[in-house]
Amino acid sequence: DAGITQSPRHKVTETGTPVTLRCHQTENHRYMYWYRQDPGHGLRLIHYSYGVKDTDKGEVSDGYSVSRSKTEDFLLTLESATSSQTSVYFCAISPSGGGYTFGSGTRLTVV
Amino acid sequence: GENVEQHPSTLSVQEGDSAVIKCTYSDSASNYFPWYKQELGKRPQLIIDIRSNVGEKKDQRIAVTLNKTAKHFSLHITETQPEDSAVYFCAASRAGTASKLTFGTGTRLQVTL
Repeated sequence: DAGITQSPRHKVTETGTPVTLRCHQTENHRYMYWYRQDPGHGLRLIHYSYGVKDTDKGEVSDGYSVSRSKTEDFLLTLESATSSQTSVYFCAISPSGGGYTFGSGTRLTVV
Repeated sequence: GENVEQHPSTLSVQEGDSAVIKCTYSDSASNYFPWYKQELGKRPQLIIDIRSNVGEKKDQRIAVTLNKTAKHFSLHITETQPEDSAVYFCAASRAGTASKLTFGTGTRLQVTL
């Protein structure tokens, strides 16, 4: 067990609906991240957190919001899903200055 | 912000040959350079990393080299095996930035028999 779980693993949603993805860690790591993975683009940072209630934007944050009310949980919300947000979403955790451990990913399809 | 370029995008080698993947970065303050391997349908997994105070690091059949002056780093896999087939990502981050990693676009390595 990698100490990080994402839910759901797969989701299909309609354009215009809000969607929340959950990331849960048991490692007590300070840093948590949300990335999206798309062909030809690699992994791009959406938002990240450096502590409870401390979050900041990444390079592709438009249309997304996050919340971290507890050390172990980091939520990603698509406020009004669009087809361009169809992607695989990965959560990652990191101790200070170290490499990431990724979750298993969430495959989101917006129809 | 940081920009990481990775080449080649695809690489095919015969089993037993060596494979080299190269990355360049733009931010001279970057000081941490990990490599991730992602098998089909799986999560990326850290395979090796290097910090800017080191020029080379090895772990069995894989090695990473770093040239700070030229701002590039490379992954070397020797004696490739079919299980090395995967997508490999390089990344870079700088101190004091919450360890935010900027990733390259990936290299699909295929090891043929």
